[in-house]
Amino acid sequence: EAQVTQNPRYLITVTGKKLTVTCSQNMNHEYMSWYRQDPGLGLRQIYYSMNVEVTDKGDVPEGYKVSRKEKRNFPLILESPSPNQTSLYFCASSLLGQGYEQYFGPGTRLTVT
Amino acid sequence: GESVGLHLPTLSVQEGDNSIINCAYSNSASDYFIWYKQESGKGPQFIIDIRSNMDKRQGQRVTVLLNKTVKHLSLQIAATQPGDSAVYFCAAGGYQKVTFGIGTKLQVIP
Repeated sequence: EAQVTQNPRYLITVTGKKLTVTCSQNMNHEYMSWYRQDPGLGLRQIYYSMNVEVTDKGDVPEGYKVSRKEKRNFPLILESPSPNQTSLYFCASSLLGQGYEQYFGPGTRLTVT
Repeated sequence: GESVGLHLPTLSVQEGDNSIINCAYSNSASDYFIWYKQESGKGPQFIIDIRSNMDKRQGQRVTVLLNKTVKHLSLQIAATQPGDSAVYFCAAGGYQKVTFGIGTKLQVIP
């Protein structure tokens, strides 16, 4: 089954404790992206990647890091999480040149206390 | 940068009627406009997209209209069904970045 998976689905952590949210897709997509979703603000792009070793900032990259060492994986790293990073996070992927039919993962709900 | 907004936060429609969800955008340079559907507890799901050089595109029970003159995008859902109840997002973007709107919640009344 073609899908985007994220782990963990739920995470409660404390300020300053480094964490990684994993994202993996099995569709051989070149493009991958991370979004955060907050009430009243919609989906905002954090980082995206056009291919392996190619990443770029989205609209709200502060406090986040990403890496793309393999085509299928695109982890989101929070080196020192803060309460304002409490949010619902989505990973998405798509083929390049196929419009914008992005496939989204199920989401990761992160709470930073 | 791009800002994408929706006219109404909630839309209630009788089952069987047609639904129209509207969206305004600000960046005339956007190449694509996309509609996504998000059901409760799930990630957004692609519905339909339209290139900036088109005015209309139809899918299964859905039609997207693009008016570049007034920077307006709409999604029409024919014969709305209970399964259409969800939050609908419009999005606009170029080759790499995509900007999403806040979302409109569609409630289908049985």
